[in-house]
Amino acid sequence: NAGVTQTPKFQVLKTGQSMTLQCAQDMNHEYMSWYRQDPGMGLRLIHYSVGAGITDQGEVPNGYNVSRSTTEDFPLRLLSAAPSQTSVYFCASSPLVGAVHTQYFGPGTRLTVL
Amino acid sequence: DQQVKQNSPSLSVQEGRISILNCDYTNSMFDYFLWYKKYPAEGPTFLISISSIKDKNEDGRFTVFLNKSAKHLSLHIVPSQPGDSAVYFCAASLNTGTASKLTFGTGTRLQVTL
Repeated sequence: NAGVTQTPKFQVLKTGQSMTLQCAQDMNHEYMSWYRQDPGMGLRLIHYSVGAGITDQGEVPNGYNVSRSTTEDFPLRLLSAAPSQTSVYFCASSPLVGAVHTQYFGPGTRLTVL
Repeated sequence: DQQVKQNSPSLSVQEGRISILNCDYTNSMFDYFLWYKKYPAEGPTFLISISSIKDKNEDGRFTVFLNKSAKHLSLHIVPSQPGDSAVYFCAASLNTGTASKLTFGTGTRLQVTL
């Protein structure tokens, strides 16, 4: 059981470039989410999904797109990177029944936008 | 508007003593409260949670207390160990009907000294 995996671990982009952060989980969790962590701000929810084909916005969705074609994968796309998107990004998953409040986090992707 | 607040950015405690981490919230609709622990370069890991209908939950050295009238919760670690040195995030869960969304505090860095 690998849990929640994220790739890449580190990425440097130039302003205006696009990229996709990958997230996968092997726990058959319905709920998946993306957070960003900035100094002094805690973790803030970007987008989330309650199942394949269903996504919704979180607290800070602007500049990011998501899709959920399978239960396992939940990629986060940056359409045109900006320096304000420099952050550490965490993907998380949880079941929708049972321990719904306990989210399992991936190791994070540290993104720098120059 | 920050709905979950951790007003102490850092805390230093001697090994063997009690660590008390505090968290305040504003939204009375939160139904669960959780504590996550985070080491550098890793994702947050779930530590302990409490339902809004309880006032105490204990798991080994970790106890969470909830005071609903004061909208305050605290995490007690007894006895503190050097391995407990990490950043601790308080989180509150809101059931939206389709999913439980977490709102995080800004974190408290705990250092347990020898």
